[in-house]
Amino acid sequence: ELKVEQNPLFLSMQEGKNYTIYCNYSTTSDRLYWYRQDPGKSLESLFVLLSNGAVKQEGRLMASLDTKARLSTLHITAAVHDLSATYFCAGVPGAGGTSYGKLTFGQGTILTVHP
Amino acid sequence: EAQVTQNPRYLITVTGKKLTVTCSQNMNHEYMSWYRQDPGLGLRQIYYSMNVEVTDKGDVPEGYKVSRKEKRNFPLILESPSPNQTSLYFCASSLEGPGHTDTQYFGPGTRLTVL
Repeated sequence: ELKVEQNPLFLSMQEGKNYTIYCNYSTTSDRLYWYRQDPGKSLESLFVLLSNGAVKQEGRLMASLDTKARLSTLHITAAVHDLSATYFCAGVPGAGGTSYGKLTFGQGTILTVHP
Repeated sequence: EAQVTQNPRYLITVTGKKLTVTCSQNMNHEYMSWYRQDPGLGLRQIYYSMNVEVTDKGDVPEGYKVSRKEKRNFPLILESPSPNQTSLYFCASSLEGPGHTDTQYFGPGTRLTVL
C-alpha cells in the first residue's frame, strides 16, 4: 500500500524568500502529481512527473522527482502572496501499469506568504 | 466550457437517510473518481471508475456505493449515512486515469454534514 507524506504541513514564508516542500512516498510509484487548492475552492493540477529525474517548472514553482529516493520536491522561488494555498502531492501505486486507477494523496502543505 | 459538476454543493442530513451526490463531466473522459477531504488527512479516494461499467474501490470505500451506467455520470450513494461521513467530497475525471499521465479535473466539491 502506498503511503505519501508531505512536510512541512504548515509553511509561513516571507515574500521574496525561497523554500521547498517535500513529498516522500513509501513504495514504488512511477507517477507523481502536484495539486494546488485555494481556500474554499477545488483542486487544480500543477504538475505531472513521470520518470526519475523529471523536472517541471511553471512560474515560481518547480517540481522534481527522484524515484530512487522515493522523493518529490516542490520548490518555491521568490514567493509572492498569490502563492498562498494548500499544496498536495499524490502518487499512483506500483509501476509499469499496475493500479492505474488509484491515487494516494499526501496530507497537504498549507502555505502562507506574508508581505 | 469543459467542467465537472456536482450536486448538491451543500447538504445537511440525518443519520440513516439515503442520499445521492451526483457528478457529471462534459469532456468525454473515461476515468472518474470520488474523494473525501478531511482536515489533516488530505484527500482519500473512495471509488474510481476506469470506464463505463468498470468500478473499483479506493482506500476508503466502506459505507459508499457508486455506479457508472453512462460515461458522463458517476453518482456517489450513501445508503445509510453516519456522522463519520461528514466531509467535503470531490468528484474528478480525466481522459484515461492517473496512471496514464493525464490531468485530473476536479468538481467544485460537496460539503456533507450528517447529524
